[in-house]
Amino acid sequence: RKEVEQDPGPFNVPEGATVAFNCTYSNSASQSFFWYRQDCRKEPKLLMSVYSSGNEDGRFTAQLNRASQYISLLIRDSKLSDSATYLCVVKANDMRFGAGTRLTVKP
Amino acid sequence: GAVVSQHPSRVICKSGTSVKIECRSLDFQATTMFWYRQFPKQSLMLMATSNEGSKATYEQGVEKDKFLINHASLTLSTLTVTSAHPEDSSFYICSARDPVQGATYSPLHFGNGTRLTVT
Repeated sequence: RKEVEQDPGPFNVPEGATVAFNCTYSNSASQSFFWYRQDCRKEPKLLMSVYSSGNEDGRFTAQLNRASQYISLLIRDSKLSDSATYLCVVKANDMRFGAGTRLTVKP
Repeated sequence: GAVVSQHPSRVICKSGTSVKIECRSLDFQATTMFWYRQFPKQSLMLMATSNEGSKATYEQGVEKDKFLINHASLTLSTLTVTSAHPEDSSFYICSARDPVQGATYSPLHFGNGTRLTVT
């Protein structure tokens, strides 16, 4: 089993749609959690950290469920510019990346 | 904010040559830097953890003699791909964590990556 697993995707959604990604992790000692986005042929960029109580940043909402060992990312009112690969990142002793979920937002 | 600079952004070399990639933390001191490799349509894979003033820690399956890492200062780590072959063609990315933000909860700052093509 992979340490960090994500929805395989790809997700193809129309503009304005709401889309959710899930990510599960296997190491119960994981301490911190992040969502990164990666555009094609570019380096990952931090989208948001994920806090225990859940957190929101504009159209983006992240949730953490430690008991079930999963995190989620919700994107509301999706924009064309949201098209990217979203990486779930979990830190225990070091950072572990999920394989990423590809999102394409279409007009 | 914290910035990590990586150079070069793109390199094309012939099989058998060595390629050096530099990773610099521009406004913070990084005792630890990380090197990743990403093949097309795949996730980032941690290759090694670079420790300032000591030997790097390599992930299982990564050849330390092929991927030489030097972390001689608090702001610079280098990855040298020795005797590169076409199968080494990949996207190499370095990252570092700003220690001021705390080791546990601070995210990684990434360099802009180096696309290596070995012909």
